[in-house]
Amino acid sequence: NAGVTQTPKFRILKIGQSMTLQCTQDMNHNYMYWYRQDPGMGLKLIYYSVGAGITDKGEVPNGYNVSRSTTEDFPLRLELAAPSQTSVYFCASSAGWGTEAFFGQGTRLTVV
Amino acid sequence: AQKVTQAQTEISVVEKEDVTLDCVYETRDTTYYLFWYKQPPSGELVFLIRRNSFDEQNEISGRYSWNFQKSTSSFNFTITASQVVDSAVYFCALSATGGGNKLTFGTGTQLKVEL
Repeated sequence: NAGVTQTPKFRILKIGQSMTLQCTQDMNHNYMYWYRQDPGMGLKLIYYSVGAGITDKGEVPNGYNVSRSTTEDFPLRLELAAPSQTSVYFCASSAGWGTEAFFGQGTRLTVV
Repeated sequence: AQKVTQAQTEISVVEKEDVTLDCVYETRDTTYYLFWYKQPPSGELVFLIRRNSFDEQNEISGRYSWNFQKSTSSFNFTITASQVVDSAVYFCALSATGGGNKLTFGTGTQLKVEL
């Protein structure tokens, strides 16, 4: 069982470039999330989705966009990369409120 | 607004010592869930435990135990007889009502267990 799969694992971007972080889950979870983890700061919620076609902003959404066209996929788009977006990004999914979230392996992104 | 505080940034212990990781939370909701996650050096996040606000029973799982006290808004985690493999960053997280099962994380506690 794959769980939550994120690609790529590592990426270096130049300032102003764009990219999409891919996330897919095979657990038929309705809820999906994108978090970023900065050193010593814990994880901050960027965007989340409670089902296909429904997305909403989290705590730190600026500079990012998401879409949720299927239950399985929840890609995160960075349009104009900035050094402040250098971070580790985690995609996660959960079955519903109060259930544990399952996390992908993370994507280490560096913007130079 | 929700908040989780893990005041201990880093803890170092010698193997076989007991260690307690503190977690204090803030929420105005009466119904909420608390979680602990482990992040080993490899970087993935591993779920350890979930507790809802109506269940104040302490829980023990092998060398791990959790103490939930609503009166002090704390959900502390104790590792008994620590081992080198316990070395990791441990996160406490809160999910309150409001939709989406969004997690508010603490800043984590880095635990180092040395021989």
